[in-house]
Amino acid sequence: DIQMTQSPSSLSASVGDRVTITCRASQSISSYLTWYQHKSGKAPKLLIYSASTLQSGVPSRFSGSGSGTDFTLTINSLQPEDFATYYCQQSVSTAYTFGQGTKLEI
Amino acid sequence: QVQLVQSGAEVKKPGASVKVSCKASGYTFSSFDIIWVRQATGQGLELVAWMNPDSGDTGYAQRFQGRVTLTKNTSISTAYMELHSLRSDDTAVYFCARNEGPREGFDPWGQGTLVTVAS
Repeated sequence: DIQMTQSPSSLSASVGDRVTITCRASQSISSYLTWYQHKSGKAPKLLIYSASTLQSGVPSRFSGSGSGTDFTLTINSLQPEDFATYYCQQSVSTAYTFGQGTKLEI
Repeated sequence: QVQLVQSGAEVKKPGASVKVSCKASGYTFSSFDIIWVRQATGQGLELVAWMNPDSGDTGYAQRFQGRVTLTKNTSISTAYMELHSLRSDDTAVYFCARNEGPREGFDPWGQGTLVTVAS
């Protein structure tokens, strides 16, 4: 199975900061990469698909980039509601592997 | 609007089975795969299995092979996931989601169903 590795596992930041989360695949996944935001007790929310396409309704401060094995999620000007756990997920294989998550804390 | 609504929380004893439902509305049920994902306490998101409601094709994460049964009732736009031989480490919130496509990700998601396994 394709392994997805995120870094860092946790991250402390402040409102207004710019943060970057990275995701590395164990083999090339082209742009079959999705990012989700997950808050405790709620359903995960799709942020970005195809590595860099912003889901409708998601604020433009979120952006994604990368292809092949290395990907990034960037959040500009952090807002209070952005503090959550973020996951990458590959869909080139139907194992649909998730990264282990990055917890973004104040 | 497109929506997935899951059945309520369950408490089961070790060795038992649990069946979680996921009712779709706002779209043609057979047109999109349904994905099952879980999150155990303190853990990350983990794929359990997926089903194509049109063909009936299914796929399972390796660790759940032989322990999960996926079914559907197309007439009521509902998918089901049954997990057998429950263990305490199966205690988790189980989500269903619609697979938008090979590059489009999973959206929307159901609200989640807490399954607690305890003696």
